[in-house]
Amino acid sequence: SYELTQPPSVSVSPGQTARITCSGDALPKKYPYWYQQKSGQAPVLVIYEDSKRPSGIPERFSGSSSGTMATLTISGAQVEDEADYYCYSTDSSGIMGVFGGGTKLTVL
Amino acid sequence: QVQLVQSGAEVKKPGASVKVSCKASGYTFTSYYMHWVRQAPGQGLEWMGIINPSGGSTSYAQKFQGRVTMTRDTSTSTVYMELSSLRSEDTAVYYCARGGAPSDWGQGTLVTVSS
Repeated sequence: SYELTQPPSVSVSPGQTARITCSGDALPKKYPYWYQQKSGQAPVLVIYEDSKRPSGIPERFSGSSSGTMATLTISGAQVEDEADYYCYSTDSSGIMGVFGGGTKLTVL
Repeated sequence: QVQLVQSGAEVKKPGASVKVSCKASGYTFTSYYMHWVRQAPGQGLEWMGIINPSGGSTSYAQKFQGRVTMTRDTSTSTVYMELSSLRSEDTAVYYCARGGAPSDWGQGTLVTVSS
């Protein structure tokens, strides 16, 4: 079955740039989406269709893709950005969804 | 505004079934797909499947084929997810989420499977 691969953890100091990657064979054809999940809360969409930001999401969150890899970038990460981040996409059929394993972002 | 309100926590015995509901409001119910996603304690998000509330068509992740059924009731703008033959590994928070990709999420429903 189709898989998306993320690093288990990323750590940065406040104000630094955090980059979280997501790799998958179908990403050149299927959009990636990114979610932030804080402890005990439902996930929140932070980037959709590769690089678009929903209203209310700070400008420091951005997304990009190149080939089979998508990247979520948090420019000037803040302590409140500490959370688990998940990428999502579909397989090449466009029907079956899949989440990456998640990346724990530590900002300290 | 969009609201997805899920049913309350459940405790089930192994082998039983559970049916979780997700009542939608604030938008045209039949215009957006609904996903079901679960998260076991301390684990990541797992996509279970999707239903088109307009016609009722469904697609399920292979892992859940034969055990999961997603339905909808357009008269009450509610979608349902039923999981059968429960085992301890099905203990998780179950979410409904609206959109072509999951965009707006319900609050989650904790299902505990324990003898």
